[in-house]
Amino acid sequence: KNEVEQSPQNLTAQEGEFITINCSYSVGISALHWLQQHPGGGIVSLFMLSSGKKKHGRLIATINIQEKHSSLHITASHPRDSAVYICAVLPTSGTYKYIFGTGTRLKVLA
Amino acid sequence: NAGVTQTPKFQVLKTGQSMTLQCAQDMNHEYMSWYRQDPGMGLRLIHYSVGAGITDQGEVPNGYNVSRSTTEDFPLRLLSAAPSQTSVYFCASSWGEVTEAFFGQGTRLTVV
Repeated sequence: KNEVEQSPQNLTAQEGEFITINCSYSVGISALHWLQQHPGGGIVSLFMLSSGKKKHGRLIATINIQEKHSSLHITASHPRDSAVYICAVLPTSGTYKYIFGTGTRLKVLA
Repeated sequence: NAGVTQTPKFQVLKTGQSMTLQCAQDMNHEYMSWYRQDPGMGLRLIHYSVGAGITDQGEVPNGYNVSRSTTEDFPLRLLSAAPSQTSVYFCASSWGEVTEAFFGQGTRLTVV
């Protein structure tokens, strides 16, 4: 079993829909990142969380440390949100060794 | 600011050849890492550095060497390329251990 699990693996939505991507992890962590990767493109950091909730534009990220779970929400989704969303955690091991989920591939249809 | 710059963007190597993937950042970040991304798998850590002169192995270090002689540069060396090293490689940097990470645009490497 992977230490970081994302669900769903693939998601197709209609433009305007509210989208939720989930990340569960099995280790104690210092931080969790949500990353975005467009097809053939580089990786961009969306959020870094260690507790609570963050919002940037139409994106909201939450984390529940006790439940070892984080969610990324996209409100009023748009075709330009089509990308792979990756969850990454930094375990509280004292080393700089991030563990990544395999990503959620999102396609938003116009 | 250029951010994190990786070169080259694409490379084809023959089995047994050596090469260096370059990574440079202009943000004075202490932490730098190299990852490889393979289909169906998450990014995997190859090597990382927490400052000039300090490097350590990640999850998949075999076949790769790194050094960190300056804060800005963190090159990844393939000593004797193998087809199993065909992958997309990403370099990342951050100011601290628990701060935003910045990624390069990636290097697509094919070993034939």
